[in-house]
Formats: sequence, C-alpha cells, structure tokens
Amino acid sequence: AQSVTQLDSHVSVSEGTPVLLRCNYSSSYSPSLFWYVQHPNKGLQLLLKYTSAATLVKGINGFEAEFKKSETSFHLTKPSAHMSDAAEYFCVVSDGWFGNEKLTFGTGTRLTIIP
Amino acid sequence: GAGVSQSPSNKVTEKGKDVELRCDPISGHTALYWYRQSLGQGLEFLIYFQGNSAPDKSGLPSDRFSAERTGGSVSTLTIQRTQQEDSAVYLCASRPKPGGASGSRVPYNEQFFGPGTRLTVL
Repeated sequence: AQSVTQLDSHVSVSEGTPVLLRCNYSSSYSPSLFWYVQHPNKGLQLLLKYTSAATLVKGINGFEAEFKKSETSFHLTKPSAHMSDAAEYFCVVSDGWFGNEKLTFGTGTRLTIIP
Repeated sequence: GAGVSQSPSNKVTEKGKDVELRCDPISGHTALYWYRQSLGQGLEFLIYFQGNSAPDKSGLPSDRFSAERTGGSVSTLTIQRTQQEDSAVYLCASRPKPGGASGSRVPYNEQFFGPGTRLTVL
C-alpha cells in the first residue's frame, strides 16, 4: 500500500524568501513521486515528477524537489517566493506499473505569500 | 491542443436526485481517472479506465456511484440518490499510454487534469 503525508496544511512565507513544503511517503515498491499545484478556481498542474532518474528534480516556475530514500521524503523547495506561487500544493505517490497505475494524493499544503 | 474538459462546471441538486458528470479526455489518451476532492481533503481516487480492460472501481464509495466510458473516450460519472456528503469537486484526468510491456516497471506518465465539476447537494 502507498501513502503520502504532507506535514504542513498551511505555510506562509514572505515574498522573496525561500519556500519549503514537506512531504513524506510510504510505498511498497520504488515509487514515482509528483508535486501538483492547484491555483484558485483552476485545474491541477504538474510541477515536477521523480521516476527513479536523478534524485534532484527540477520543475516549472523555479521549483525543485529532492528524493531521499533513507528519509522517505520528497520535499518541495524554491529559493525565492513570488506572489504568483500562492496556491495549494499536493504531493503525490504512485507505485503502480503498466496496467495498475493509481495516484495517492496528500491532503495538500496551502501556500500563502506575504507581500 | 485541447486539454481535458468537464461539464457542467457547477451542479446544484437536491438530496435524492441523480446526477451525471461528464469528462472529455485528451484525444488519444488511453487511461481515464475520476477523483473526488472534498473541502479540506486531498484527492480521493474513485475509478480508473485503461483501454478496453475492465475498470478499476476500487475507489467508488458506494453502489450509488457508477461510471462508464464509451468508445474509449468520453466518460460519465453517475451518482444516484445523491446525499449531502456527496458534495465535492469531481475531477477527471487522462493519461497517454505508457511505454513498455505489461507488468514491467516503466516511468509513470503524467496525468492531465480537467477543471472539475463542483457538485453541491442541498
């Protein structure tokens, strides 16, 4: 069985300061991991994904995440927050393979940017 | 190209009525998923269609929920005798066919999400 825990339901940072959104996962197999972003009244958009290649994954809008197997973590970071980053962020895990792919979503972290 | 579309965008219904929610996936995508997002919750998997295989219905919360996918394209999620706890945003996603043979560990392809249908049961 797979699961994902987002450790913070709400994070507030000042514009221009670093962002850290924490995620821990549990998976029976080598997982694929994703971060999705959901802006208000908009659909989910993929930020980045890890699929057993490089452990440091770079995504869109300056975000990146590092897969740490020993810590079962996949934290999302950004060096400098922008007002447009305010949104809900979901950490997602899949240990599926061809023919059995299902995603398990975390409960989300709401990111607020303080001007 | 066009993304995943869903209709209606909003649906208000009375308790006990049936509702149908529609999803048009990206053309050529073989897999289609339905999720439910309740207030303050993450996304909850409901059902998954892959090509002509039998759907994975393991996430459907009750027998009031059903879904079908016609011609390998459009899908309809039906909720019968709606209850207030069914109020949520229902999201549809599609995915292209992954590479590799069945049973092999292949990189998971991105799911493309529609904008959702907000269902309110009064």
